[in-house]
Amino acid sequence: QVQLVESGGGVVQPGGSLRLSCAASGFTFSGFGMHWVRQAPGKGLEWVSFIRYDAYNKYYGDSVKGRFTISRDNSKNTLYLQMNTLRPEDTAVYYCAKPLSGGGQDAFDIWGQGTMVTVSS
Amino acid sequence: MVMMQSPATLSVSPGESATLSCRASQSLSTSKLAWYQQKPGQAPRLLIYAASTRATGVPARFSGSGSGTEFTLTISSLQSEDVAVYYCQQYNNWPRITFGQGTRLEIK
Repeated sequence: QVQLVESGGGVVQPGGSLRLSCAASGFTFSGFGMHWVRQAPGKGLEWVSFIRYDAYNKYYGDSVKGRFTISRDNSKNTLYLQMNTLRPEDTAVYYCAKPLSGGGQDAFDIWGQGTMVTVSS
Repeated sequence: MVMMQSPATLSVSPGESATLSCRASQSLSTSKLAWYQQKPGQAPRLLIYAASTRATGVPARFSGSGSGTEFTLTISSLQSEDVAVYYCQQYNNWPRITFGQGTRLEIK
């Protein structure tokens, strides 16, 4: 079945770095742009980043631009999010999400279970 | 683009209907509007996309409507399992996707 599994979360000090991974299965990963979405504890959903199916285009939310980098390895069916210069306000559950259509400008029909990132000293 | 949901919390009796609203700060010219359901400790689940199309496996008692800046999610014959937070999302203003702040649905 179609599945996304995130990993790599944990506790990191302010200013530190972390890399999240999202392993995809059950669909043609190389044919879909992919998204990262986050949710701070007790808060709503915030779109973080998007990468085109071939990695040609990458987009970021204003709150993470210049600090986070999205990438993908289609040979490994895996999506990544490199997070640098982390701040306490980056504390959240991070989800990877698949859009309905390959282009990416669509609703998200498949979500991972999420991985928790805590930025604290 | 800002998405504003109302009310923040809605309490409805079992078997009744619930109406959740979502207003966009700019017109969604192509009705690229989705609704998600999120239960505690779970990832969001897609309910409605393109403003009114039910996602695969979503019961017919969930329906979406609206256009322009005003959108509605209606849940008829409310059941206890519908207790959740519901989010609207616009994907019209690409790539700046935005979500509403959510409506918490409770059972009376």
